[in-house]
Amino acid sequence: DTGVSQDPRHKITKRGQNVTFRCDPISEHNRLYWYRQTLGQGPEFLTYFQNEAQLEKSRLLSDRFSAERPKGSFSTLEIQRTEQGDSAMYLCAITRADTQYFGPGTRLTVL
Amino acid sequence: QQQVKQSPQSLIVQKGGISIINCAYENTAFDYFPWYQQFPGKGPALLIAIRPDVSEKKEGRFTISFNKSAKQFSLHIMDSQPGDSATYFCAAPSGNNNDMRFGAGTRLTVKP
Repeated sequence: DTGVSQDPRHKITKRGQNVTFRCDPISEHNRLYWYRQTLGQGPEFLTYFQNEAQLEKSRLLSDRFSAERPKGSFSTLEIQRTEQGDSAMYLCAITRADTQYFGPGTRLTVL
Repeated sequence: QQQVKQSPQSLIVQKGGISIINCAYENTAFDYFPWYQQFPGKGPALLIAIRPDVSEKKEGRFTISFNKSAKQFSLHIMDSQPGDSATYFCAAPSGNNNDMRFGAGTRLTVKP
């Protein structure tokens, strides 16, 4: 158990719809990361939070994507006007002692 | 820009054999090298990690060998078992925020 839960585990949506994913670390962690993983590839960094502050965004994070961490605990990732290319696994990770521990991910399928 | 290059893409090994996966990195500022194991439908799970001040680290059947001058590190799985069949990723933390840069992954299949 990595101490990170994600919800939902699977999401199927139609193109153009908005979706929101949630990441819940089991205990407080300063650093929280979002990654995207497409089939056959390694995870790619999307964005990073230090407490509630979003400190870095990858160029992969288009303006249709927004992430929040309102109280420095759980985080949400929203995708607006989904496109088929958004289909991927979205992973959340926290850091303990230089190591990142990943949640189980949310598998998004955009039809 | 791929900062961590992993090979092979896929690997088939007989039960009891040795699985070897290689990784090369470009950024000499990297100072922590983890390997992750991922099963279908799951998030990556930390398997073993090494820092560049040692050349080898062993945990059970898993060993990391590190070659700082060549900027390479490898994962060795001894006595490979069918339950080891998974995708393995090498990674390194990058930048001030320590986001992980992952290799493209190696799909390991261990045949009974």
